[in-house]
Amino acid sequence: GEDVEQSLFLSVREGDSSVINCTYTDSSSTYLYWYKQEPGAGLQLLTYIFSNMDMKQDQRLTVLLNKKDKHLSLRIADTQTGDSAIYFCAERSGGYNKLIFGAGTRLAVHP
Amino acid sequence: DAMVIQNPRYQVTQFGKPVTLSCSQTLNHNVMYWYQQKSSQAPKLLFHYYDKDFNNEADTPDNFQSRRPNTSFCFLDIRSPGLGDAAMYLCATSRDRDILRGNQPQHFGDGTRLSIL
Repeated sequence: GEDVEQSLFLSVREGDSSVINCTYTDSSSTYLYWYKQEPGAGLQLLTYIFSNMDMKQDQRLTVLLNKKDKHLSLRIADTQTGDSAIYFCAERSGGYNKLIFGAGTRLAVHP
Repeated sequence: DAMVIQNPRYQVTQFGKPVTLSCSQTLNHNVMYWYQQKSSQAPKLLFHYYDKDFNNEADTPDNFQSRRPNTSFCFLDIRSPGLGDAAMYLCATSRDRDILRGNQPQHFGDGTRLSIL
């Protein structure tokens, strides 16, 4: 069945780059998403990538997709304390826009 | 700003006492979704409405129901809440659900955190 896996925790120094990794299982996924969740809040759509792309850049965010290995990553350049949050990877699966989420990666940014 | 609004942000109910959570949207999207998110877990889809058409996930307990009286509003009803139903409930919308129409990103509200006494 569908499954999305993420590492649970990442700690980086302020100003460094963060790389959050994700693997998924549904090879027919056409869109993959990254969402950000701050404490006590809902999910904020950060970016997405279409499956025929290898890379997408959006300001400080870079998404890399390796479709062969079913591996997705989110790189945040110049990480700031405001980037501290939980980041969820999600694949669009099934015939009706269903999202399958990973368990989330908690990013901690320290001075 | 167009958005997805959930009320209340925090809800406390008693074991077995019915509770209703509310979601409204100003995006005029056709699809509304309800997710359950337990602590440190991934959000899990319970069901969605495509216009007035209700679509339940196979593993959603019968205790969970939903209503969509119009395009803007959708409600989540929990008929007899148990301790295991304590969670964050997230509402989301998308313009469409037809994957042949390209990207249909889901937009989320801030959630309602439900506690059961």
